[in-house]
Amino acid sequence: AQKITQTQPGMFVQEKEAVTLDCTYDTSDPSYGLFWYKQPSSGEMIFLIYQGSYDQQNATEGRYSLNFQKARKSANLVISASQLGDSAMYFCAMREGIQGAQKLVFGQGTRLTINP
Amino acid sequence: EAQVTQNPRYLITVTGKKLTVTCSQNMNHEYMSWYRQDPGLGLRQIYYSMNVEVTDKGDVPEGYKVSRKEKRNFPLILESPSPNQTSLYFCASSLDAGGRTDTQYFGPGTRLTVL
Repeated sequence: AQKITQTQPGMFVQEKEAVTLDCTYDTSDPSYGLFWYKQPSSGEMIFLIYQGSYDQQNATEGRYSLNFQKARKSANLVISASQLGDSAMYFCAMREGIQGAQKLVFGQGTRLTINP
Repeated sequence: EAQVTQNPRYLITVTGKKLTVTCSQNMNHEYMSWYRQDPGLGLRQIYYSMNVEVTDKGDVPEGYKVSRKEKRNFPLILESPSPNQTSLYFCASSLDAGGRTDTQYFGPGTRLTVL
């Protein structure tokens, strides 16, 4: 079963608009972590934001925020005031498992294109 | 500068010729991991290591070996590469494997082609 689902293969947004990238996850582990990474065309993987399963507040990092809805098992990434440089592939990932035997699983990604 | 380095960045080889992709981090991280990225499949974990001399299989370990003799290095070994191992490979490391300090930082990637 797919543990991380990103339902939007591609998205097109006008510059300066806000954009929400969807991510749903599936786990029975009460302790887990959720991550978002950005992969520009140059290929590197850039960490954006982290949300722990026990965190009471949604994570924020500059223009990035994570809309964490635990009961719905969703962890959507919100990018405010999008910029041309935000055009990239975005991956949602989940860390699960007990300490000492942890794995990170990724979704298939969403390709975001920002139009001028 | 804190970073994860990988070498080589690009490699074209032939079936059956043993190769090693090196990975090194200068952040004193305990946890290191290897992933492969293939179109439509996202990133999949190959192997990971919790600390020196401690390694374990990820989701797609077949055809790969790793070792962790020093904390900073985590090489990926393909004893007999096959064309289905043509992929983009990433090494990653994190301070540890729990809580807020388990954010993984990735190397620049190694693009491997096996003919």
